[in-house]
Amino acid sequence: DAGVIQSPRHEVTEMGQEVTLRCKPISGHNSLFWYRQTMMRGLELLIYFNNNVPIDDSGMPEDRFSAKMPNASFSTLKIQPSEPRDSAVYFCASSFQGGRKTQYFGPGTRLLVL
Amino acid sequence: GIQVEQSPPDLILQEGANSTLRCNFSDSVNNLQWFHQNPWGQLINLFYIPSGTKQNGRLSATTVATERYSLLYISSSQTTDSGVYFCAVGSGTASKLTFGTGTRLQVTL
Repeated sequence: DAGVIQSPRHEVTEMGQEVTLRCKPISGHNSLFWYRQTMMRGLELLIYFNNNVPIDDSGMPEDRFSAKMPNASFSTLKIQPSEPRDSAVYFCASSFQGGRKTQYFGPGTRLLVL
Repeated sequence: GIQVEQSPPDLILQEGANSTLRCNFSDSVNNLQWFHQNPWGQLINLFYIPSGTKQNGRLSATTVATERYSLLYISSSQTTDSGVYFCAVGSGTASKLTFGTGTRLQVTL
């Protein structure tokens, strides 16, 4: 299995630009999670989906952030407009809801907003 | 929400030494996982262990759910064990996990 795939791996952008992060979960997994990791706040859950439906988006920092999961094999996290404080590593993870719920993480996207 | 505390925050070991990492949580959980984040940033799932004891090679974990803590044991540590170890917990029917702040381990020669 290829594991969770994220793209891009690195992104450098200027303040005000739109940023789109992409994730392909492990085939057969029906839960998908977006996390953000910073030195100040650690690992925090932004949003998660079960069967492509957003279940809990209480961690999304503000309206500039949005996430979609149009099908079982693809999700996006969009930041528009981006700000320097959005600089972080963004992880996508997937698991099988109904089972042991072991979460498997992608390699992350390192985002730098100048 | 559930509070997760990990100790110690930092640990330096010589290669070959053993260590115990602790995770305390503030409420009942039915989902507890241990992760290792290597120096390159990759998060690897080590154990799914909401209760009981499991072993995988030099690593083992024990969760005592009634007393709200979990322990991760590393025996005969190697330099490749360096990184940050996270405990994450969840409860109810939700799949979400709350992560602790981690224990940063450095294994030296």
